[in-house]
Order: sequence, then C-alpha cells, then structure tokens
Amino acid sequence: EVQLVQSGAEVKKPGESLKISCKGSDYSFDDYWIGWVRQMPGKGLEWMGMIYPGDSDIRYSPSFEGQVTIAADRSITTAYLQWSSLKASDTAMYYCAKCTRGGGVFEVWGQGTVVTVSS
Amino acid sequence: EVVMTQSPATLSVSLGERATLSCRASQSVGTNLAWYQQKPGQAPRLLMDGASTRATGVPARFSGSGSGTAFTLTISSVQSEDSAVYYCQHYYQWPPYPFGPGTKLE
Repeated sequence: EVQLVQSGAEVKKPGESLKISCKGSDYSFDDYWIGWVRQMPGKGLEWMGMIYPGDSDIRYSPSFEGQVTIAADRSITTAYLQWSSLKASDTAMYYCAKCTRGGGVFEVWGQGTVVTVSS
Repeated sequence: EVVMTQSPATLSVSLGERATLSCRASQSVGTNLAWYQQKPGQAPRLLMDGASTRATGVPARFSGSGSGTAFTLTISSVQSEDSAVYYCQHYYQWPPYPFGPGTKLE
C-alpha cells in the first residue's frame, strides 16, 4: 500500500529553523511529484510547492517562494519542507501528498504535521 | 495565476437530498480539475480528477462535470458521512495549482 508518513508535531520559537519530513513507501519514489500543502487553523488548503525527486525539479507557489525550501533525499525516499527563520504566522498543519503520474493531482496524502510557532 | 472560487461557502442539505457544489476558474483549465473531501481532523482525500473521473473507492453517488471555467460536484443522495469540506483544485499547465476556498457541506 502506497503510504506517506510525516514527522511528528513541532513546537518552535520565532526565528528558529525547522525541517519536517515525509517518507514515501511502496511506490517508485523517483517517478512521482510530491507536493506540500499548508492549512492554517480553521482555514482552507494552500498549495505551497512540489518536487520531482527523480531530478529534484522544484516548483513553488509565488506566495511561498523564498519563505520555505522543499527538498528530497532519494536514497531514503523522503521529502522535506524547511524554514530558516520561523514566524508565528507559520503556525499550521502541513501535509505532503503524492501526485498521480503526470503531476498535479494529489492522490495519496500524509497524515499531516502540526507546526506551532510561539514565543 | 489562475484563481479558483467556490460556491456556496456553506451548503445545508437533508439526508437523501441532492447536493450541488460549484467551482469556477478565473481562466480556462480544460478538464484539469480535481475535487477533494476533508472531514474534521483528517487529511484531505481525492474524490475526482479530470473533472469527472471518480478516484478509487469513491461511491457512485458522487459525480463531477464541467470544463473550461465552470465545474460542478454533485452528490445525488447525501449521506451523513458526506459532511465535510469540499475543495476544488486545478492542475492546468504549469504550477502553481491552487485550491478553491472550499464548500462546507452540512
């Protein structure tokens, strides 16, 4: 069964750095785009960006470019979302999701990682 | 960038009734449109892609239609387990692929 398992909840202070992870299993990790989606408390889904692990092609939403970094390690079939300096406004649930072949449609989702940024 | 809108924001229907949810794109996206269902405390779930192709395991009471800029998700006979927020998303040409703001089905 195709699965994406995300790292656990994080509590951080403003200005701290953070990297959360998303491990894929039971599929050819290199061959499918993986995306990241933000959901702020009580709000809707926001498309952040996506990575093709096979060649590390990365596409960001203009709203998130420069604010986060998306990466992947093919050797351990894991994608990452990272921040160099967190803000309180980064408090949210973050989902990773595997795309269908061809990209774009999120067919399998991770369970989500809650990130709380508070002084 | 294509902007997605959805209406209504909230839809209240009785059990067994038909529910019709709308999604509009600010420019044509062909049939490159997906629908997702999100229940409280859960990750979203893919319902439909290609505007009208049900994902694996999605009940037949869910159907999708539309192309270009106007799309509809229809639930023919609403069940209690259908209470959720429904999001549309386009995936036309190059990213970003934004979601609509969602419709809450009560």
